Amino acid sequence: DIQMTQSPSSLSASVGDRVTITCRASQNIRTHLNWYQQKPGQAPKVLIYAASSLQSGVPSRFSGSGSGTDFTLTISSPQPEDFATYYCQQSYKTPYTFGQGTKLEIK
Amino acid sequence: EVQLVESGGGLVPPGGSLRLSCAASGFSLSIYWMHWVRQAPGEGLVWVSRISSDGRSTSYADSVKGRFTISRDNAKNTLYLQMNSLRAEDTAIYYCARDPDIGGWSSFENWGQGTLVTVSS
Repeated sequence: DIQMTQSPSSLSASVGDRVTITCRASQNIRTHLNWYQQKPGQAPKVLIYAASSLQSGVPSRFSGSGSGTDFTLTISSPQPEDFATYYCQQSYKTPYTFGQGTKLEIK
Repeated sequence: EVQLVESGGGLVPPGGSLRLSCAASGFSLSIYWMHWVRQAPGEGLVWVSRISSDGRSTSYADSVKGRFTISRDNAKNTLYLQMNSLRAEDTAIYYCARDPDIGGWSSFENWGQGTLVTVSS
């Protein structure tokens, strides 16, 4: 199975700070990488698909980059509603696997 | 509006069975691959199973292979997950998710609200 490793596991930031979350795959997954946001008590929501494509309706302060094994999710200026848990997920081959999550908290 | 509504969760003893349903509305289920994803209380997301749009191709996580069966009834616009030989570690919220499969790139574009399965005596 492809292992997905996110870092950091948690992160404190202030509104307006630039935030970067990284995700590493245990093997080459090309750009088959998605990012999700999950708030407490809610289902996840896709932010970025195919490593760098912004899902319709998602604010442009979210961006994704990377290919192969190393990927990043950047929030250029986090707003109060962005403090949540973020997951990466590979869709290169089944079993599809997620990172362990990064909890973004307000400093 | 695209909607996915799961049902069928509940409390079941170890070794028991449950069938989850995911009713789709606002779109035709028949053209989409679909998935089940679960999340144990306080834990991360785990992919469980996938089914092709016509139901002919299925995949499972190793942890559920041989115990769970994914299926669909496109005429009823409904996805299912039959869960047998349930274990305590299957306790989780189960989400169904729609896969847009854009140009060969898969993601979980739409999610239901989830249904809670608790395996306990």
